[in-house]
Amino acid sequence: QVQLVQSGAEVKKAGASVRVSCQTSGYSFTTFYIHWVRHVPGQGLQWLGRINPYSGGAESPQRFQGRVTMTRDTSLNTAYMDLDRLSSDDTGVYYCATGTASPFDFWGQGTLVTVSS
Amino acid sequence: QAVVTQEPSLTVSPGGTVTLTCGSNTGPVTSGHSPLWLQQKPGQAPRTFISNTNIKHSWTPARFSGSLLGGKAALTLSGAQPEDEAEYYCLVSYSGAHVFGGGTKLTVL
Repeated sequence: QVQLVQSGAEVKKAGASVRVSCQTSGYSFTTFYIHWVRHVPGQGLQWLGRINPYSGGAESPQRFQGRVTMTRDTSLNTAYMDLDRLSSDDTGVYYCATGTASPFDFWGQGTLVTVSS
Repeated sequence: QAVVTQEPSLTVSPGGTVTLTCGSNTGPVTSGHSPLWLQQKPGQAPRTFISNTNIKHSWTPARFSGSLLGGKAALTLSGAQPEDEAEYYCLVSYSGAHVFGGGTKLTVL
């Protein structure tokens, strides 16, 4: 079955960067987009962008462009999301998701990112 | 960027029926926006219940259904159960970009 397993919780200082990984199994990694979503307390869910694992091409909303970098390693069936210039507003739980029938059928367990000043 | 709106909170009685809606400031939500509904409970990852307006997943309880209603996407819960108390988010797709609504906190009381 499809599984997405994310890396563990992170604590970062303001201004630093964080990398979250998403290891997939149970399907052909290069077939479906990997999406990144975060849940920030009081702000609900936010879509950070998506990566095409086949081509490596990525897209993100304008508000995150220049701060979010999405990459993948096809040999490890793993996607990565880097977020730069962290602030306390970035504290939240970060998820990866993918889908076969629709883009968000399957979700990772989430990675808590805490940014301290 | 488009803004997707949902009711901030709704309450339903056990066994009752409630409809959550999802609108867009760009105009009517249509099937072309592939509206999607997710349930999220505290401390858990979201679960997608409805895709592409009205397609249920294998794990979606039969009491949930999706539709289009008055220019909005809608999620109807018929026969609410205590375990349905959760936050519900809709997602609207705009030519490859995805925007979440602010979420509806559903209370079963």
